[in-house]
Amino acid sequence: ETGVTQSPTHLIKTRGQQVTLRCSSQSGHNTVSWYQQALGQGPQFIFQYYREEENGRGNFPPRFSGLQFPNYSSELNVNALELDDSALYLCASSFDPGEAYEQYFGPGTRLTVT
Amino acid sequence: ILNVEQSPQSLHVQEGDSTNFTCSFPSSNFYALHWYRWETAKSPEALFVMTLNGDEKKKGRISATLNTKEGYSYLYIKGSQPEDSATYLCASYFGNEKLTFGTGTRLTIIP
Repeated sequence: ETGVTQSPTHLIKTRGQQVTLRCSSQSGHNTVSWYQQALGQGPQFIFQYYREEENGRGNFPPRFSGLQFPNYSSELNVNALELDDSALYLCASSFDPGEAYEQYFGPGTRLTVT
Repeated sequence: ILNVEQSPQSLHVQEGDSTNFTCSFPSSNFYALHWYRWETAKSPEALFVMTLNGDEKKKGRISATLNTKEGYSYLYIKGSQPEDSATYLCASYFGNEKLTFGTGTRLTIIP
């Protein structure tokens, strides 16, 4: 059973640029959620994808967008990067989107915006 | 805004001692409570998912209880070991909202 992987591990971008982060789900999981963890805070929910459709979105602007592919891997895209976007981005997969299913997290991508 | 609060923020415990910490959440529209353990440089790892008032779960030396009427959960660690050093996160589902996380309790076990 392969765990959740994320790439890249670290990334440095300049304000105004665009970035794509990638996540491979655990085998057998059809749901991926993305979280942003800023310094000193808990992870904040960005959005969730279930069977390639967006299935819920947190309080993030439209410049945060995502995709889920037929193999259930996922991308998080952020346009027009701002300094406040500097954070650890976590993805998590689960067997189903329901509340009773534990989430399996990747190690995260550390994004620094300068 | 639905807030999940964890206390204490950090904790130092002598090896062999037992400890516990708290997760508080709004009791209305509650669906589920998750606990995760996050060791430095690793991925957060699921410990428990609890949905029913009075739920008690146990995994080895770690256990958790849930009170949905008053909106809190306790995580207990018995006989702390150095490998228990980690940040412990709780997160709750409310209605159609997805997981809302607290800021975590950072536990350090002193050998």
